[in-house]
Formats: sequence, structure tokens, C-alpha cells
Amino acid sequence: GIQVEQSPPDLILQEGANSTLRCNFSDSVNNLQWFHQNPWGQLINLFYIPSGTKQNGRLSATTVATERYSLLYISSSQTTDSGVYFCAVTRASGSRLTFGEGTQLTVNP
Amino acid sequence: SAVISQKPSRDICQRGTSLTIQCQVDSQVTMMFWYRQQPGQSLTLIATANQGSEATYESGFVIDKFPISRPNLTFSTLTVSNMSPEDSSIYLCSVDYSGGNTIYFGEGSWLTVV
Repeated sequence: GIQVEQSPPDLILQEGANSTLRCNFSDSVNNLQWFHQNPWGQLINLFYIPSGTKQNGRLSATTVATERYSLLYISSSQTTDSGVYFCAVTRASGSRLTFGEGTQLTVNP
Repeated sequence: SAVISQKPSRDICQRGTSLTIQCQVDSQVTMMFWYRQQPGQSLTLIATANQGSEATYESGFVIDKFPISRPNLTFSTLTVSNMSPEDSSIYLCSVDYSGGNTIYFGEGSWLTVV
């Protein structure tokens, strides 16, 4: 099956810093999503981004499908950004999501 | 976006018992999925809940341990049977509204087996 690798596994920032999270995948994908899992376990959709670039406030994401990677940018980080960020992909429409191992982000005040 | 409700949100269970988790969606969906997230780990798909037929299980998961029902297009249940401490996890229901364009998750059910 498809492999999804995320880096770094852990990241500690001071409030106000910027960061880049990376997701590499081993095969072509139909769908790529970024999620934020908050400390209460809830998964929040951040982006659906199989290709191209999207921005939502302080967050933006870029997927280069031909090179099989995606980047999530967090600017001016806040303590509420803490949690685990997951990248997940599907190979075909309607098929299951395969998750990466996640990046544990801690933003200190 | 989808509204997906899971019950219970949290429970502490005795080993050897079974617990059923419910997932209710605010509109009809074709695809419903059940995931498990063990402590400190990523999400792993247990099965796809199919309306009107048996669930499709992933490798390593069996119907006797994780029976699933899908009586209609807005509701599904997952039962964790004969629980052991290794079953302590977050169990998450997810739905695919638009053929894979965006997949949404419920709030999760935190199970602790003692």
C-alpha cells in the first residue's frame, strides 16, 4: 500500500515563530488532507489539497503532486496551534485514508 | 461541513466486557469508516461500514472482535468485544461526503480498559 511519511516527528516553538511541516507519499494520490488533532482528540480538517496551494489565515499548504510531497506552513504560531498534525491520503475516490505518523507540535508562550 | 456525533465520548470498561459505540451523521452519506488510534500513535482503519451489507475489514481486524452495523445512510455502530487493556484507544467514526474530496471525523470515543 501507499506509504506516508511526515517530518519532523516533534517540533517545539516559541509563540510567534513560523514552521513548516512536511508530508511525503510514495505513490500518486487522489486526495490529500491535513488535519489538526487537538489535545481532546478531535480531528479538525485544515486543508483538502491534492495539488496546488491554499491559504486559510495563518495556515497555508502546498502540494506538489508530481514530486509526491506536501508542505503545511504555520505562521505566527499561537499556543492554540499545539497538537498533532496529520497528513492523510487516498489512492482513489471513495477509498480509505492512509495516515502519516503525525508531527507533534508544542507552542510555548 | 458534516456534523458527526459519537457516543459515548469517553468510557472506562472492565476487561472481558463489550462496548458499542454509536455514530450519527446529520445527512445521508455513502461511505462511513471506523478508525482506531492507540495511545501516542496514528490512526488505523478498522473497517468500512457498508449500508445493507457486511462491513469490509482491514487486515488485522476481524468481525468477531469488531462487529459493525450500518442500518441506514446516517447511522453506524462499532462494538469492541471481549475487551482487553490493549483495546484502550480512541475510536473515530468518519464519513466521506463527496467521493473522497473531504473526509470528516466525529469527536472520537476514548475507551480505557482496566
